[in-house]
Amino acid sequence: DIQMTQSPSSLSASVGDRVTITCQSTQDISIYLNWYQQKPGKAPKLLIYDATNLETGVPARFSGGGYGTQFTFTIGSLQPEDIATYFCQHYHSPPLTFGGGTKVEIK
Amino acid sequence: QVQLVESGGGVVQPGRSLRLSCAASGFTFSNYGMHWVRQAPGKGLEWVAVIWFDGNNKFYGDSVKGRFTISRDNSKNTLYLQMNSLRAEDTAVYYCARAPCSSTSCSTRFDFWGQGTVVTVSS
Repeated sequence: DIQMTQSPSSLSASVGDRVTITCQSTQDISIYLNWYQQKPGKAPKLLIYDATNLETGVPARFSGGGYGTQFTFTIGSLQPEDIATYFCQHYHSPPLTFGGGTKVEIK
Repeated sequence: QVQLVESGGGVVQPGRSLRLSCAASGFTFSNYGMHWVRQAPGKGLEWVAVIWFDGNNKFYGDSVKGRFTISRDNSKNTLYLQMNSLRAEDTAVYYCARAPCSSTSCSTRFDFWGQGTVVTVSS
């Protein structure tokens, strides 16, 4: 099974800061990587699919990059409404797995 | 608008069974793969199972294989999860999620999620 290692597990940044999260897979997964945002008590929301594609309606300050085994997720300018936990997820082959999550807080 | 509404959660004793349902509306249900994803209290997300748009392919996570069965009724726009031999570690919020199908797979991205139903396994 492919495992996803996400880092950091939490971070604190100021409004306007650039925030980057990384996700590493144990096997080459090409571009088969998605990113989700989850706010407390809510269902996850798709932000980025196929490693770099922005889901319709998602603000352009969110972006994704990477290929193979190393991926990044960036918030270009952190906003108060971005407080949430972010997860990566591969879909190379079943079983699908998620990263452990990154909790983003405002400093 | 797209809606996914889970139901069937509750408190159940270890070893017993429970069936979850997910009612879909606002889109052509029979065109999409459907997944179950769960989240234990205070924990991350765990993929549970997928069923192809036509029901012909099903895959399961290792922790539920042999105990859980995913199914769908495209005439009723409803997804199901039959959970047998429940364990304390199955306690979680269970989400159903929609996935567009490519030419080869319905395990792609979860582009819409329900709000979840809570399953608690406890004596």
